[in-house]
Amino acid sequence: AQSVTQLGSHVSVSEGALVLLRCNYSSSVPPYLFWYVQYPNQGLQLLLKYTSAATLVKGINGFEAEFKKSETSFHLTKPSAHMSDAAEYFCAVTLDQTGANNLFFGTGTRLTVIP
Amino acid sequence: GAGVSQSPSNKVTEKGKDVELRCDPISGHTALYWYRQSLGQGLEFLIYFQGNSAPDKSGLPSDRFSAERTGGSVSTLTIQRTQQEDSAVYLCASSGDVATSEQFFGPGTRLTVL
Repeated sequence: AQSVTQLGSHVSVSEGALVLLRCNYSSSVPPYLFWYVQYPNQGLQLLLKYTSAATLVKGINGFEAEFKKSETSFHLTKPSAHMSDAAEYFCAVTLDQTGANNLFFGTGTRLTVIP
Repeated sequence: GAGVSQSPSNKVTEKGKDVELRCDPISGHTALYWYRQSLGQGLEFLIYFQGNSAPDKSGLPSDRFSAERTGGSVSTLTIQRTQQEDSAVYLCASSGDVATSEQFFGPGTRLTVL
């Protein structure tokens, strides 16, 4: 079975500080991994994705994530938090690369940015 | 269209009533997904369409839930005899590139069952 675990349902950082949101996956085969962001009353927006190419993935809004097979992790980082980064972030995994590709989501991490 | 659209954006209904939720995917996207987002369950997969067929209905929580897709485009999720536990945000996503599995999400329909 495949799943993702997001450590920390709430994370608070000061504006300008490093953002680190943790995601660990469980998978019996090489996964595809995603980070989505959800702003209040909006749908999910893709931040970045890992699809077995480069292990360091750069996404939108200055976010990046590194796939570490040895640690089964795909943590999301941003060097300097901005007030507009306040949102809920979801890590997701899919395995069925030629079929349904439905996503399995983590429980989400709500990021608060303190001015 | 430019993005995935869903209607209505909000729906309030009484317990026992039937509801229909609509999803318009991005033009040309062959795959369409329904997910449910609720406080107790997080984001959970409901059903997937490839074209008009639904090869994976494993996520539907009960036989009160059904979905169809016509013309390889619009999809409708129907919940019969709604219950309070059906209250959630129902999200639709579409994908045109199975190889990379990127899904584009609509804004969702917030369903409240009184």
